[in-house]
Amino acid sequence: AQTVTQSQPEMSVQEAETVTLSCTYDTSESDYYLFWYKQPPSRQMILVIRQEAYKQQNATENRFSVNFQKAAKSFSLKISDSQLGDAAMYFCAYRSTSGTYKYIFGTGTRLKVLA
Amino acid sequence: DTGVSQNPRHKITKRGQNVTFRCDPISEHNRLYWYRQTLGQGPEFLTYFQNEAQLEKSRLLSDRFSAERPKGSFSTLEIQRTEQGDSAMYLCASSATETQYFGPGTRLLVL
Repeated sequence: AQTVTQSQPEMSVQEAETVTLSCTYDTSESDYYLFWYKQPPSRQMILVIRQEAYKQQNATENRFSVNFQKAAKSFSLKISDSQLGDAAMYFCAYRSTSGTYKYIFGTGTRLKVLA
Repeated sequence: DTGVSQNPRHKITKRGQNVTFRCDPISEHNRLYWYRQTLGQGPEFLTYFQNEAQLEKSRLLSDRFSAERPKGSFSTLEIQRTEQGDSAMYLCASSATETQYFGPGTRLLVL
């Protein structure tokens, strides 16, 4: 069975600085999707970025980028020029491309942005 | 596109009562998911539908939980004989592709 692990329960970053959130996963599949979702306090979860495993190029969305290391089964999120609005819980998630379409989430990392 | 909506947003009930939650997905999305999220944890998969068919159900979902998606549109999640351990946020998400979109959730408190 697939698993997703986020080993950093909490991280802090100064405003305008860069922070990297870690995620590792375990799977025997060769093709899958990986996601980072953001859940601000008392607000709904929104997609930050997604990566397709068959694509070698790391996904980028404005200030958010990933470092996808398929062999190491690692999928970290880098947030550049951190803003106060980035403060939230961040969840890493996995979904297979075949068979089940269920998503597996990690336990999350709480990001604090310091002014 | 009005997004995924869930009702009610909050529910307080007494132990042993039944509760029902509703989710309205984004209109063209054929997949609909239910999750449970407790404080400080990630969403835990409960079940999902493709159109009106319930394709997978978590082993963690006891017989007290049932979900339906009549006509492949909105979905309901019912919890019978609620227990204090059922207190959590219940999230609904829908998708047409690999990306799912979440609703605001229903927060359940069982006294």
